[in-house]
Amino acid sequence: QKEVEQDPGPLSVPEGAIVSLNCTYSNSAFQYFMWYRQYSRKGPELLMYTYSSGNKEDGRFTAQVDKSSKYISLFIRDSQPSDSATYLCAIVDSSASKIIFGSGTRLSIRP
Amino acid sequence: KAGVTQTPRYLIKTRGQQVTLSCSPISGHRSVSWYQQTPGQGLQFLFEYFSETQRNKGNFPGRFSGRQFSNSRSEMNVSTLELGDSALYLCASSLGFFGTEGPEGTQYFGPGTRLLVL
Repeated sequence: QKEVEQDPGPLSVPEGAIVSLNCTYSNSAFQYFMWYRQYSRKGPELLMYTYSSGNKEDGRFTAQVDKSSKYISLFIRDSQPSDSATYLCAIVDSSASKIIFGSGTRLSIRP
Repeated sequence: KAGVTQTPRYLIKTRGQQVTLSCSPISGHRSVSWYQQTPGQGLQFLFEYFSETQRNKGNFPGRFSGRQFSNSRSEMNVSTLELGDSALYLCASSLGFFGTEGPEGTQYFGPGTRLLVL
Protein backbone atom coordinates (compact mmCIF):
# COMPACT_ATOMS: atom_id res chain seq x y z
CA GLN A 1 0.00 0.00 0.00
CA LYS A 2 1.34 3.42 -0.94
CA GLU A 3 1.77 5.85 1.94
CA VAL A 4 -0.17 8.51 0.03
CA GLU A 5 -2.92 7.68 -2.45
CA GLN A 6 -4.32 10.19 -4.92
CA ASP A 7 -6.74 9.57 -7.75
CA PRO A 8 -4.83 10.39 -10.95
CA GLY A 9 -7.92 11.45 -12.86
CA PRO A 10 -8.19 12.98 -15.36
CA LEU A 11 -11.02 15.06 -13.97
CA SER A 12 -12.96 17.32 -16.34
CA VAL A 13 -15.54 19.81 -15.08
CA PRO A 14 -17.33 22.83 -16.59
CA GLU A 15 -16.22 26.35 -15.75
CA GLY A 16 -17.77 27.64 -12.55
CA ALA A 17 -18.12 24.20 -10.95
CA ILE A 18 -16.82 23.31 -7.51
CA VAL A 19 -13.88 20.90 -7.74
CA SER A 20 -12.96 18.43 -5.03
CA LEU A 21 -9.51 16.82 -5.04
CA ASN A 22 -8.59 14.21 -2.46
CA CYS A 23 -5.74 12.23 -0.95
CA THR A 24 -5.61 9.55 1.68
CA TYR A 25 -2.57 8.62 3.74
CA SER A 26 -1.65 5.71 5.92
CA ASN A 27 0.74 7.04 8.59
CA SER A 28 -0.76 8.97 11.47
CA ALA A 29 2.69 10.44 12.22
CA PHE A 30 2.40 12.71 9.21
CA GLN A 31 2.32 16.23 10.51
CA TYR A 32 1.57 18.68 7.84
CA PHE A 33 -0.06 18.77 4.51
CA MET A 34 0.37 20.74 1.34
CA TRP A 35 -1.23 21.15 -2.04
CA TYR A 36 0.77 22.04 -5.11
CA ARG A 37 -0.38 22.98 -8.59
CA GLN A 38 1.76 22.05 -11.56
CA TYR A 39 1.20 23.41 -15.02
CA SER A 40 2.56 21.52 -18.00
CA ARG A 41 6.34 21.90 -18.34
CA LYS A 42 6.60 23.88 -15.09
CA GLY A 43 7.69 23.08 -11.55
CA PRO A 44 5.07 22.61 -8.80
CA GLU A 45 3.76 25.78 -7.20
CA LEU A 46 2.66 25.75 -3.55
CA LEU A 47 -1.02 26.53 -3.16
CA MET A 48 -1.70 25.85 0.49
CA TYR A 49 -0.27 24.22 3.58
CA THR A 50 -1.92 23.26 6.83
CA TYR A 51 -1.01 21.44 10.03
CA SER A 52 -4.19 20.73 11.87
CA SER A 53 -7.51 19.11 11.21
CA GLY A 54 -10.15 21.45 9.88
CA ASN A 55 -10.45 23.89 7.03
CA LYS A 56 -8.12 26.57 5.73
CA GLU A 57 -9.36 29.00 3.12
CA ASP A 58 -7.44 31.16 0.66
CA GLY A 59 -9.54 32.90 -1.95
CA ARG A 60 -11.25 30.30 -4.09
CA PHE A 61 -9.25 27.47 -2.51
CA THR A 62 -10.09 25.57 0.67
CA ALA A 63 -7.86 22.87 2.14
CA GLN A 64 -9.47 20.40 4.47
CA VAL A 65 -7.71 17.90 6.73
CA ASP A 66 -9.34 15.08 8.65
CA LYS A 67 -6.59 13.43 10.69
CA SER A 68 -8.93 10.88 12.24
CA SER A 69 -9.78 9.56 8.76
CA LYS A 70 -6.32 10.30 7.31
CA TYR A 71 -7.96 12.19 4.50
CA ILE A 72 -7.14 15.55 2.94
CA SER A 73 -9.04 17.53 0.35
CA LEU A 74 -8.66 20.61 -1.77
CA PHE A 75 -11.78 22.42 -2.93
CA ILE A 76 -11.76 24.94 -5.74
CA ARG A 77 -14.79 27.22 -6.00
CA ASP A 78 -15.87 29.00 -9.17
CA SER A 79 -13.35 27.01 -11.19
CA GLN A 80 -11.68 28.75 -14.12
CA PRO A 81 -9.99 27.39 -17.26
CA SER A 82 -6.72 28.72 -15.81
CA ASP A 83 -7.12 26.20 -12.97
CA SER A 84 -6.48 23.40 -15.48
CA ALA A 85 -3.32 21.73 -14.19
CA THR A 86 -2.10 18.75 -12.22
CA TYR A 87 -2.69 19.02 -8.48
CA LEU A 88 -0.35 17.23 -6.10
CA CYS A 89 -0.88 16.61 -2.43
CA ALA A 90 2.24 16.40 -0.29
CA ILE A 91 2.50 15.12 3.22
CA VAL A 92 5.37 15.76 5.59
CA ASP A 93 6.65 13.77 8.54
CA SER A 94 8.96 16.30 10.17
CA SER A 95 10.35 13.86 12.70
CA ALA A 96 11.56 11.59 9.92
CA SER A 97 12.40 14.49 7.61
CA LYS A 98 10.28 12.79 5.00
CA ILE A 99 7.99 14.24 2.36
CA ILE A 100 5.77 12.11 0.18
CA PHE A 101 3.88 13.36 -2.81
CA GLY A 102 0.68 11.95 -4.21
CA SER A 103 0.76 10.89 -7.84
CA GLY A 104 -1.18 14.00 -8.87
CA THR A 105 -4.67 14.57 -10.28
CA ARG A 106 -4.99 16.04 -13.76
CA LEU A 107 -7.76 18.62 -13.77
CA SER A 108 -9.33 20.18 -16.86
CA ILE A 109 -11.85 23.03 -16.64
CA ARG A 110 -14.02 23.26 -19.75
CA PRO A 111 -15.01 26.83 -20.81
CA LYS B 1 12.55 38.47 -5.71
CA ALA B 2 13.83 36.08 -8.39
CA GLY B 3 12.61 32.50 -8.17
CA VAL B 4 14.52 29.25 -8.21
CA THR B 5 16.47 28.81 -11.42
CA GLN B 6 17.75 25.59 -12.92
CA THR B 7 20.17 24.99 -15.75
CA PRO B 8 20.13 23.56 -18.25
CA ARG B 9 16.42 23.26 -18.96
CA TYR B 10 16.80 20.35 -21.38
CA LEU B 11 19.51 17.76 -21.77
CA ILE B 12 20.03 14.68 -23.92
CA LYS B 13 22.64 12.13 -22.90
CA THR B 14 23.46 8.53 -23.77
CA ARG B 15 23.66 5.54 -21.47
CA GLY B 16 26.85 5.37 -19.44
CA GLN B 17 27.51 9.10 -19.53
CA GLN B 18 27.38 11.34 -16.51
CA VAL B 19 25.50 14.60 -16.07
CA THR B 20 25.59 17.61 -13.74
CA LEU B 21 22.55 19.77 -13.12
CA SER B 22 22.62 23.15 -11.43
CA CYS B 23 20.18 24.94 -9.14
CA SER B 24 20.25 28.52 -7.85
CA PRO B 25 17.88 28.99 -4.91
CA ILE B 26 15.87 32.05 -4.00
CA SER B 27 18.13 34.66 -2.44
CA GLY B 28 18.43 34.04 1.30
CA HIS B 29 17.26 30.43 1.13
CA ARG B 30 19.73 28.02 2.68
CA SER B 31 18.03 24.70 1.95
CA VAL B 32 17.99 23.08 -1.46
CA SER B 33 16.21 19.82 -2.16
CA TRP B 34 16.25 17.75 -5.32
CA TYR B 35 13.43 15.65 -6.71
CA GLN B 36 12.93 13.29 -9.63
CA GLN B 37 9.58 13.32 -11.41
CA THR B 38 8.52 10.58 -13.83
CA PRO B 39 5.08 9.58 -15.15
CA GLY B 40 5.36 6.17 -13.51
CA GLN B 41 6.79 7.01 -10.09
CA GLY B 42 5.60 10.58 -9.67
CA LEU B 43 7.61 13.05 -7.63
CA GLN B 44 10.31 11.41 -5.51
CA PHE B 45 12.69 13.03 -3.05
CA LEU B 46 16.38 12.63 -3.86
CA PHE B 47 18.24 14.62 -1.19
CA GLU B 48 18.41 17.89 0.70
CA TYR B 49 21.33 20.18 1.38
CA PHE B 50 21.39 22.81 4.09
CA SER B 51 24.37 25.04 4.72
CA GLU B 52 26.57 22.88 2.47
CA THR B 53 25.70 19.65 4.31
CA GLN B 54 23.52 16.82 3.09
CA ARG B 55 20.79 16.45 5.70
CA ASN B 56 18.48 13.91 4.13
CA LYS B 57 18.61 11.37 1.37
CA GLY B 58 15.86 9.52 -0.43
CA ASN B 59 15.95 5.96 -1.66
CA PHE B 60 18.13 6.37 -4.73
CA PRO B 61 21.37 4.57 -5.69
CA GLY B 62 24.76 6.08 -5.06
CA ARG B 63 25.00 7.12 -8.71
CA PHE B 64 22.97 10.13 -7.64
CA SER B 65 24.98 12.66 -5.68
CA GLY B 66 24.98 16.34 -5.00
CA ARG B 67 26.68 19.19 -3.30
CA GLN B 68 25.97 22.70 -2.12
CA PHE B 69 28.25 25.68 -2.27
CA SER B 70 28.73 28.46 0.25
CA ASN B 71 26.37 30.71 -1.73
CA SER B 72 23.67 27.99 -1.40
CA ARG B 73 23.78 27.11 -5.09
CA SER B 74 23.57 23.37 -5.56
CA GLU B 75 24.57 20.82 -8.15
CA MET B 76 23.31 17.32 -8.69
CA ASN B 77 25.35 14.69 -10.47
CA VAL B 78 24.22 11.41 -11.96
CA SER B 79 26.94 9.01 -13.06
CA THR B 80 26.68 6.02 -15.41
CA LEU B 81 23.33 7.11 -16.77
CA GLU B 82 20.62 4.51 -17.37
CA LEU B 83 17.55 4.75 -19.60
CA GLY B 84 15.38 4.85 -16.48
CA ASP B 85 17.05 8.07 -15.37
CA SER B 86 15.08 9.95 -18.00
CA ALA B 87 12.95 12.32 -15.97
CA LEU B 88 12.23 15.87 -14.94
CA TYR B 89 14.66 16.84 -12.18
CA LEU B 90 13.30 19.52 -9.89
CA CYS B 91 15.06 21.62 -7.35
CA ALA B 92 13.27 23.37 -4.49
CA SER B 93 14.58 25.90 -2.00
CA SER B 94 13.39 27.04 1.41
CA LEU B 95 14.56 29.40 4.13
CA GLY B 96 14.81 26.73 6.78
CA PHE B 97 15.72 23.10 6.53
CA PHE B 98 13.34 20.42 5.42
CA GLY B 99 10.51 19.80 7.83
CA THR B 100 10.61 23.20 9.54
CA GLU B 101 7.08 24.21 10.34
CA GLY B 102 5.61 27.35 8.90
CA PRO B 103 6.79 29.62 6.10
CA GLU B 104 10.45 28.84 6.82
CA GLY B 105 9.97 25.27 5.71
CA THR B 106 7.90 26.06 2.64
CA GLN B 107 9.62 24.83 -0.48
CA TYR B 108 9.56 26.75 -3.75
CA PHE B 109 10.27 24.77 -6.91
CA GLY B 110 12.23 25.69 -9.98
CA PRO B 111 11.06 24.87 -13.52
CA GLY B 112 13.12 21.70 -13.68
CA THR B 113 15.67 20.15 -16.00
CA ARG B 114 14.26 17.61 -18.42
CA LEU B 115 16.81 14.84 -18.95
CA LEU B 116 16.48 12.32 -21.74
CA VAL B 117 18.82 9.33 -21.74
CA LEU B 118 19.15 7.50 -25.05
